[in-house]
Amino acid sequence: EPEVTQTPSHQVTQMGQEVILRCVPISNHLYFYWYRQILGQKVEFLVSFYNNEISEKSEIFDDQFSVERPDGSNFTLKIRSTKLEDSAMYFCASSPGTGGSPGANVLTFGAGSRLTVL
Amino acid sequence: SQKIEQNSEALNIQEGKTATLTCNYTNYSPAYLQWYRQDPGRGPVFLLLIRENEKEKRKERLKVTFDTTLKQSLFHITASQPADSATYLCALEGGGGNKLTFGTGTQLKVEL
Repeated sequence: EPEVTQTPSHQVTQMGQEVILRCVPISNHLYFYWYRQILGQKVEFLVSFYNNEISEKSEIFDDQFSVERPDGSNFTLKIRSTKLEDSAMYFCASSPGTGGSPGANVLTFGAGSRLTVL
Repeated sequence: SQKIEQNSEALNIQEGKTATLTCNYTNYSPAYLQWYRQDPGRGPVFLLLIRENEKEKRKERLKVTFDTTLKQSLFHITASQPADSATYLCALEGGGGNKLTFGTGTQLKVEL
């Protein structure tokens, strides 16, 4: 079964440092996403990416964050100047995104990258 | 503003019983609604999708209903097992794009 892979599984960083979280979406999927889940809270949408550009972003996704698809397989989330409140589990997801069927928007999530900011 | 509400209190049931979880939403006009399962420390896993013109959808021991008039979906697990213990999330698309917005989830605990 195709899967979304994320690295690292856990990253510890000092406040103010930059972090890059990496994801390999499912190869024939067209939409890519980052979500965040602070411990004990809901899964929150950060950003969606399609055709090499951001298609939608939330209020959380401010100038501190950026996404990139540097090659044909990787999808990265960069967090600049990390803050304590950025500590969370970050999930990458992808969806087929083809056609108008609802199944095109079923998300497959990775296992997550736990970010701890000290 | 748009809201997706799920019972934040954990639901504890005995093995073999039917678990029923509720998802209510406001200010959405979704064409479909999805249910996901999330285990601790893991990403959500897709379970079922139901369209606005479908009243009910089944998959093995799972059943989902969707009432667009009440703006509510019910998620049932029949003959529940301890392995069904997890947090169950409902999710809606809305506001354009392919973004899915998740509810807070309901934690289900199935006891022997």
